[in-house]
Amino acid sequence: GIQVEQSPPDLILQEGANSTLRCNFSDSVNNLQWFHQNPWGQLINLFYIPSGTKQNGRLSATTVATERYSLLYISSSQTTDSGVYFCAVEGYGGSQGNLIFGKGTKLSVKP
Amino acid sequence: DTEVTQTPKHLVMGMTNKKSLKCEQHMGHRAMYWYKQKAKKPPELMFVYSYEKLSINESVPSRFSPECPNSSLLNLHLHALQPEDSALYLCASSQVVTVNSPLHFGNGTRLTVT
Repeated sequence: GIQVEQSPPDLILQEGANSTLRCNFSDSVNNLQWFHQNPWGQLINLFYIPSGTKQNGRLSATTVATERYSLLYISSSQTTDSGVYFCAVEGYGGSQGNLIFGKGTKLSVKP
Repeated sequence: DTEVTQTPKHLVMGMTNKKSLKCEQHMGHRAMYWYKQKAKKPPELMFVYSYEKLSINESVPSRFSPECPNSSLLNLHLHALQPEDSALYLCASSQVVTVNSPLHFGNGTRLTVT
């Protein structure tokens, strides 16, 4: 099946700093989503982005499908950005609805 | 506030108990999902319902029994669980089970099996 690798596994930032999180995947995808899981366990959908670039406030994401990677940019980080960021993909050959999650990037933003 | 509501938030049950987890959404979504998440791990898919019919069962043991009574409700019936089944159980929904359909998660039920 499709493999999803996220980097870095852990990231510590000072408030106000910018960061880039990466998601590599092993095969072509027709579905790629980024999620943020806060320290209380709530999973929030940030972007649906199988290709192209999207922006939402301080967050933006770019997926280069032909090169099999996606990037999540966080600018002017805030302590509320802390948590785990997951990339999840669905390949063309997989069952519809079966999103495969990466292991996540744990972000800690210090005040 | 999440638009996918899960109850209860916490559940402690013995290995001989029978309990149910409930999930409700009123976004008109026709696909609903159960995920299991162990501590410090990513969510793992358990079941997918599409238009109230089970479309994916990821080889989940029969002690977990899903049910979709209607397009807004999803239940997970639990029976004879093991301590290793302790986890965060997440319900999710999407417009349909195809591309261009972002997944929306509930806040989860933290299950402890004693």
